[in-house]
Amino acid sequence: DAGVIQSPRHEVTEMGQEVTLRCKPISGHDYLFWYRQTMMRGLELLIYFNNNVPIDDSGMPEDRFSAKMPNASFSTLKIQPSEPRDSAVYFCASSLMAGSRGYTFGSGTRLTVV
Amino acid sequence: GENVEQHPSTLSVQEGDSAVIKCTYSDSASNYFPWYKQELGKRPQLIIDIRSNVGEKKDQRIAVTLNKTAKHFSLHITETQPEDSAVYFCAASMNQAGTALIFGKGTTLSVSS
Repeated sequence: DAGVIQSPRHEVTEMGQEVTLRCKPISGHDYLFWYRQTMMRGLELLIYFNNNVPIDDSGMPEDRFSAKMPNASFSTLKIQPSEPRDSAVYFCASSLMAGSRGYTFGSGTRLTVV
Repeated sequence: GENVEQHPSTLSVQEGDSAVIKCTYSDSASNYFPWYKQELGKRPQLIIDIRSNVGEKKDQRIAVTLNKTAKHFSLHITETQPEDSAVYFCAASMNQAGTALIFGKGTTLSVSS
């Protein structure tokens, strides 16, 4: 298995533009998580899914953020419109059980909004 | 919801010394406590974990202790080496309830030779 695949690795966009981050979890994993990492706030949980259904989106900072998981092998995190304060590294992770040791993180997407 | 506090935010030690990182959590229902290591520009990776029915766990030079009464847990690294330099994150969750890991803000460990 290739692990959790995230794309793009780097994204630079102008303020106001729409940004879409993509994630392919490990096959067979039934949980998928989106985290945001910044120096100030560390690793923040944004949203997570179980069997493609959103379970908790209380960490999504604003209505500008949305996430979908149309099937077991694909998830997107969309920011529209983007703002400079959204600049961060966004990680996707998947596991067989939410709190288990089976968390596997993707390589992350470094987003820069100018 | 769960809140995890981690201290210190930075830690500098000499090679061969021990390093201790401490975390506290708020939700007494949490029962799973992993530690992740993140090297510069890399993804977080699990290095050790402990569950609430265990007080201490060791794996070579690293160990984790848990005090459920006080709601705190610690990472101990002995005989530190330069390759231990990284950011370390603690986390907590209610494993059986299917909740997500909540992470502390991280500790940047620097080991100088």
